[in-house]
Order: sequence, then C-alpha cells, then structure tokens
Amino acid sequence: SQKIEQNSEALNIQEGKTATLTCNYTNYSPAYLQWYRQDPGRGPVFLLLIRENEKEKRKERLKVTFDTTLKQSLFHITASQPADSATYLCALRYNFNKFYFGSGTKLNVKP
Amino acid sequence: GAVVSQHPSRVICKSGTSVKIECRSLDFQATTMFWYRQFPKQSLMLMATSNEGSKATYEQGVEKDKFLINHASLTLSTLTVTSAHPEDSSFYICSASTSGVTDTQYFGPGTRLTVL
Repeated sequence: SQKIEQNSEALNIQEGKTATLTCNYTNYSPAYLQWYRQDPGRGPVFLLLIRENEKEKRKERLKVTFDTTLKQSLFHITASQPADSATYLCALRYNFNKFYFGSGTKLNVKP
Repeated sequence: GAVVSQHPSRVICKSGTSVKIECRSLDFQATTMFWYRQFPKQSLMLMATSNEGSKATYEQGVEKDKFLINHASLTLSTLTVTSAHPEDSSFYICSASTSGVTDTQYFGPGTRLTVL
C-alpha cells in the first residue's frame, strides 16, 4: 500500500532562518502533491500544489520541489517567523479524488 | 473564497446516542465532499467520499452503517455517528472540492467528538 513519510520529530529553528520539511513516498508517483498547514484543533489549510511534471513551485516565502526520481518533495519557508509555527502536512493525489496524507511535521519557529 | 464550515465544533455525548455533524461549503458548490478522522499527532484518515445525490464510497474498514453520510445538496453533507461509543471519540474533519483540474480540497475547521 502507499506509504507517505514525514519527519515525526518537531523541527525547531530560529526566526529568520529557512525551514525545510520533507515528504517521502513509496511506490507510485502521484498526479500531484499538495502541502497544507494545520494549527492545533483546526482543519488543514491549503498552501501549495505541485504537479508531477513540475520541479518547483513558489508562493511568496514558500517553495515546494518535487523529485519523482527520489520520490520526495521538499517544502521550504524562507525568512521564517514565529507565526509560521504549525504542523505541515503533505498530501498525494492519485486516482480520481483519492488523497493520502502524511502524518505531518511540527515546525517551531523561535523568536 | 472557498470557505467550508462545520457544525458543531465540539460535541460531548453519552455512549449509545447518535451524533450528526454538518459540513457546508459557504461560497462555492462542492461536487465532492470528504470525511476524515484524525487522532492526536496522527495523519488524517479518509473515511468516505461522497458526491452530491449519490451514495458515499467508504474506505476499507469503515462501517457504513456506523457512519452514515448524506450529501443532499452541492453545499451540504452530513456525517451521523450512530450508537456512538468511547472509541469513536476523535476529531472529524470534512473537506469539499470542486470539479476542477486540481481538485484542491478546502477543509472545515473540524468537530471534536467526545463520547462518555
């Protein structure tokens, strides 16, 4: 079965640094991959989407890369701020309307 | 745009009772709605997918008679947890998507269910 791995340990970084989160998957590459932010007790909020034929996508301070050879996506937040502290989930979309989520990585940005 | 609401946000009920959770897309028509369950520090587990006007498709291991899903309109889906037990206590999240190229999901804020 499809497996999605995100670092279960929290990532602690200093304000202003770049945070890099990893999403690895097994077996088949998805049609596209999404990153979400989830705050405690809240539903996930969509951030970025990258398709299988795209290498990189940017949105303001966010950057996502997608390497289908390595079966990996990296999610970067540049010039991180304490307000960026949250859990970040990756989600892979396969056949029609079938999404699989990773368990998320908690990011702590310290002032 | 693309706002999804859920009601109630929190519910506490006695074992054996049924609980209904509503999911509404407020400013768009959702051809498909999803219901997820999330345990603490774990991933979202898809329970079922529902399309307006048709029966929901349940994931393996999810009892359809236990978790009743109704998608009556393009803006409303309901999840009813029947004869709830303490092990049903969890965070339930719905999402809605439009029939677009990217099928981006827009999530509701979630419902915390506690069964005593």
